[in-house]
Amino acid sequence: DIQMTQSPSSLSASIGDRVTITCRASQTISSYLNWYQHKAGQAPKLLIYAASNLQSGVPSRFRGSGSGADFTLTISSLQPEDFATYYCQQSYSGPYTFGQGTKLEIK
Amino acid sequence: QVQLVQSGAELKKPGASVKVSCKASSYPFSTSRITWVRQAPGQGLEWMGWITAYNGDTSYAQNFQGRVTMTTDTSTNTAYMELRRLTSDDTAVYYCARVVSESYTWFDPWGQGTLVTVSS
Repeated sequence: DIQMTQSPSSLSASIGDRVTITCRASQTISSYLNWYQHKAGQAPKLLIYAASNLQSGVPSRFRGSGSGADFTLTISSLQPEDFATYYCQQSYSGPYTFGQGTKLEIK
Repeated sequence: QVQLVQSGAELKKPGASVKVSCKASSYPFSTSRITWVRQAPGQGLEWMGWITAYNGDTSYAQNFQGRVTMTTDTSTNTAYMELRRLTSDDTAVYYCARVVSESYTWFDPWGQGTLVTVSS
């Protein structure tokens, strides 16, 4: 199975901050990497697919980059609604594993 | 818009089975694939498997092989996930999601989640 490791596991930041979350795969996965935002009590929401493609309706302050085994999600200017848990997921091969999550909290 | 609506919360005893439904709307369900993902309390997301709606082909994660069955009813645009021999470790929120496969694959949208509680 492909292991996905996110860092950090949690992060405190302020409104307007630039934030970067990293995700590393245990083997190369090309660009088969997705990012989801998950708020408590809600359905997870797709933000980025295929490493760098912004899902329709997602604000442009979200940016995904990387290929191979190392990926990043950057939020350029944090807004109040961005405080949530973020997961990366590989779709290179089954089982389609997720990272352990990065909880983004208000400082 | 594309929407997945899941069945309500369930309380089950250890050893029992649970069957969660996921009703799709506003897209051609029969040509799609539905996946199931769960989140145990305080834990991350765990992929369980998926099913191709039109032919019933399934792929299950090893962790659930022999204990999970995913099915679809194309006449009602509904997917089902049955999990047997429940233990307290199966207490979780279970999500369905549409699988989008073009050159790459992703899950969108997701259902609202179904809380399954296993307790004696």
